[in-house]
Amino acid sequence: NAGVTQTPKFRVLKTGQSMTLLCAQDMNHEYMYWYRQDPGMGLRLIHYSVGEGTTAKGEVPDGYNVSRLKKQNFLLGLESAAPSQTSVYFCASIRDRGPNTIYFGEGSWLTVV
Amino acid sequence: AQTVTQSQPEMSVQEAETVTLSCTYDTSENNYYLFWYKQPPSRQMILVIRQEAYKQQNATENRFSVNFQKAAKSFSLKISDSQLGDTAMYFCAVISNFGNEKLTFGTGTRLTIIP
Repeated sequence: NAGVTQTPKFRVLKTGQSMTLLCAQDMNHEYMYWYRQDPGMGLRLIHYSVGEGTTAKGEVPDGYNVSRLKKQNFLLGLESAAPSQTSVYFCASIRDRGPNTIYFGEGSWLTVV
Repeated sequence: AQTVTQSQPEMSVQEAETVTLSCTYDTSENNYYLFWYKQPPSRQMILVIRQEAYKQQNATENRFSVNFQKAAKSFSLKISDSQLGDTAMYFCAVISNFGNEKLTFGTGTRLTIIP
């Protein structure tokens, strides 16, 4: 999707390793979100941010940390990866109040072995 | 807590028929937005239709329409003249306009169009 870029798109980690997923948007959106999608399940909210310098916990925040130092970037960190964190991760962004649509990244496939 | 419930994990329908996907939600806010998103096997998220809660008129987009019942907190999606390309996962989502910017999705309905 135009405007939201996730890196990396694929990654294999060993248990205990750390990594950071980057979500970048060039639409000056205030709100940004990180979700995980497991087989047969919907999108579960990990963390979100309503503006630069702010973050908040979603439904499944344990094992993840986030930062929003710049408005255009929302980083998701795994401090010590576990096999249970094997998933597809999606970033999303919307403008502030009165969103016309939700913009999604293409997803990041993460496997923890 | 804001929740979205999609009670139909899987559905299938013959090509050219009409199908309705259900969605109920719960939010304490009065102003909010509702969305239906489609996710084909490619995993790309594609906007199907959106509805502003303050608008009583149901949104329509070509073959897609919604039945929005605000009092019942129901937001169903009707697909008319279904096509093979409609085969996908469908997600319902809600975000409040003020005070709660949490964007919540349902668990999805896997729709299969049978030729």
